[in-house]
Amino acid sequence: GESVGLHLPTLSVQEGDNSIINCAYSNSASDYFIWYKQESGKGPQFIIDIRSNMDKRQGQRVTVLLNKTVKHLSLQIAATQPGDSAVYFCAENRRYSSASKIIFGSGTRLSIRP
Amino acid sequence: DVKVTQSSRYLVKRTGEKVFLECVQDMDHENMFWYRQDPGLGLRLIYFSYDVKMKEKGDIPEGYSVSREKKERFSLILESASTNQTSMYLCASSTLRTSGKKIGELFFGEGSRLTVL
Repeated sequence: GESVGLHLPTLSVQEGDNSIINCAYSNSASDYFIWYKQESGKGPQFIIDIRSNMDKRQGQRVTVLLNKTVKHLSLQIAATQPGDSAVYFCAENRRYSSASKIIFGSGTRLSIRP
Repeated sequence: DVKVTQSSRYLVKRTGEKVFLECVQDMDHENMFWYRQDPGLGLRLIYFSYDVKMKEKGDIPEGYSVSREKKERFSLILESASTNQTSMYLCASSTLRTSGKKIGELFFGEGSRLTVL
């Protein structure tokens, strides 16, 4: 079946370095992607989204890149801080009749080395 | 501030018991979702609802049912709990009233950790 969010399960980064979290998807018809951050003991929180008519979108300290040719997206976090420690999920919006549903990948746990 | 409230943070039930997980949102959102989260599997969609009394199956609906009698409340029901339903359950809501922006923004509750013995 089609999948989204094939992640590396863990990533360890030195504080102050940039983090790059990668995600692959298989549905070439997917047109909208989202990144979520889940801190320990909390529900996931929206970080940033990107539509398939874009290849890059920037937020505050975060950038999402979308490569439709190889069905890959990445989340880049600049100057990683201890507060960035979390599990990061990429997700896909799939249309379903009059609604849409958000399908999540398996997530990458980002840990920060002091 | 937006708020999604799940009735119980931790529950312990026995095999065969009927379990109700309640979720309430105060944002007048049209859409509500139930996910379960298991290590290495991410969040998997069980059921969702885009209107009162409407429900749609997600990717793993077997063994679950839902109820949405009021817009703000979405209940997940395990008719006969089994040990393989031990998991973290997350409720979320979203709205279409975003003028096309951030349509994928779900607001999550803090989760209900269910253990079935």
